[in-house]
Amino acid sequence: DAGVIQSPRHEVTEMGQEVTLRCKPISGHNSLFWYRQTMMRGLELLIYFNNNVPIDDSGMPEDRFSAKMPNASFSTLKIQPSEPRDSAVYFCASSFDREDQPQHFGDGTRLSIL
Amino acid sequence: QQQVKQSPQSLIVQKGGISIINCAYENTAFDYFPWYQQFPGKGPALLIAIRPDVSEKKEGRFTISFNKSAKQFSLHIMDSQPGDSATYFCAASTPLVFGKGTRLSVIA
Repeated sequence: DAGVIQSPRHEVTEMGQEVTLRCKPISGHNSLFWYRQTMMRGLELLIYFNNNVPIDDSGMPEDRFSAKMPNASFSTLKIQPSEPRDSAVYFCASSFDREDQPQHFGDGTRLSIL
Repeated sequence: QQQVKQSPQSLIVQKGGISIINCAYENTAFDYFPWYQQFPGKGPALLIAIRPDVSEKKEGRFTISFNKSAKQFSLHIMDSQPGDSATYFCAASTPLVFGKGTRLSVIA
């Protein structure tokens, strides 16, 4: 079975550039999560969608970050303009529901902002 | 505010030994406590989970012990193997919040 698919796996770009991360959740899952992982802060939830609707975006660090889910099979996380402190591994996860259902993670996008 | 505190940050265990990772939570409304395992270059994957109505759950070599009154739970890995070397995250839900992780190294 196909798991959560993220692209690109690696992204290196210069400060100020726009970055777009993509995620295809597992078919049938109705909840989608974006996380950021750093050594200092661990795994942080950025935003959570349920049935394509953003439910909780309180973890989005600032207005430079935005996320969309135009349909049940695709989501994007955009950073514009990017800054070096945005360098991290970004994970997308999906599940059938938010409560007590396992979240299935993709393999992440390693983002480096120079 | 860190809602789930995990210790130790790193752990080295001999092959065949017992690995123990501890977590403490603050929010008494949490009602689901999963553990995730992450290998380098991969996303976290659910390993085992427990609800607070039981004090222990065992799956193979992995056991969760849960102490509701102390608001603590722990992961025990029996007969630890080199293939268990990974980063382990405890978590609590709802909403799901993660501990900072424990890097486990099992040496032969």
